[in-house]
Amino acid sequence: DSGVTQTPKHLITATGQRVTLRCSPRSGDLSVYWYQQSLDQGLQFLIQYYNGEERAKGNILERFSAQQFPDLHSELNLSSLELGDSALYFCASSPTGTMNTEAFFGQGTRLTVV
Amino acid sequence: DAKTTQPPSMDCAEGRAANLPCNHSTISGNEYVYWYRQIHSQGPQYIIHGLKNNETNEMASLIITEDRKSSTLILPHATLRDTAVYYCIVRVPGIMYSGGSADGLTFGKGTHLIIQP
Repeated sequence: DSGVTQTPKHLITATGQRVTLRCSPRSGDLSVYWYQQSLDQGLQFLIQYYNGEERAKGNILERFSAQQFPDLHSELNLSSLELGDSALYFCASSPTGTMNTEAFFGQGTRLTVV
Repeated sequence: DAKTTQPPSMDCAEGRAANLPCNHSTISGNEYVYWYRQIHSQGPQYIIHGLKNNETNEMASLIITEDRKSSTLILPHATLRDTAVYYCIVRVPGIMYSGGSADGLTFGKGTHLIIQP
C-alpha cells in the first residue's frame, strides 16, 4: 500500500460527459502529480500541484483541469469526454515540490468512455 | 531528462537473478538513475536510485558503470511476482525543469520482464 488513495477505481461514462477523479496523497506529502496511461501510450505526465498551486504542466488537454484543495487532496476534472480519453489515470505524491527520491503512486482510476 | 534505452522484453527463470540493462549514454554529471516498475495495470512502484556508486536495498541492486553511460538493475532471486514493466529514468532530483513540463518523471516504454516458472 503506497498510502496514496484514488477514487473511484473504475468509471464508465458516455462521450460528451464530465467526470471527476479524486486523489488523496500520502500524509504529509505536499505535491500531487497526475498521469494518464492509455493502451498505446506510456505513462504521460499531465499536471502537478504543490501545496495548492499549479506547479508544472505536461501534456494536459484543455478539456482537462485539476485542482488541489487546502487539505491537499486533488481532483482531476475531465470534460467533453471522447473515446480516446479511455485510460488509466494515476496520481502520485511526494513530500516536496519535486520528485527527489521516490514518488508514491496510487492504484489508479480506470476510465472507460463509451 | 537524458534519454534511456532499454530492451523491450526479457525472460528470466524463477529463482535466478534478473539483470535488466539500461543505456543512458548522454547522462550528465548531476543526473541520477531511477528505477520504477509497474505490475500489470497497477501504479508504478519505486525500486531504487543512484548517482554513481552501486546501490542496494531490500528489493534490488543497482550497478552503474564507471563512465555512467549504462546501468543494470539486479533482482537477485526473481519470483513470479516480479513480472512487470521496469522503467529506467535519469533526471536531476530537486530541479524544476524549464518550461515546467518535465518536473514529473518521464517514463519511456521500459522492459517487460517475464519470470518463467
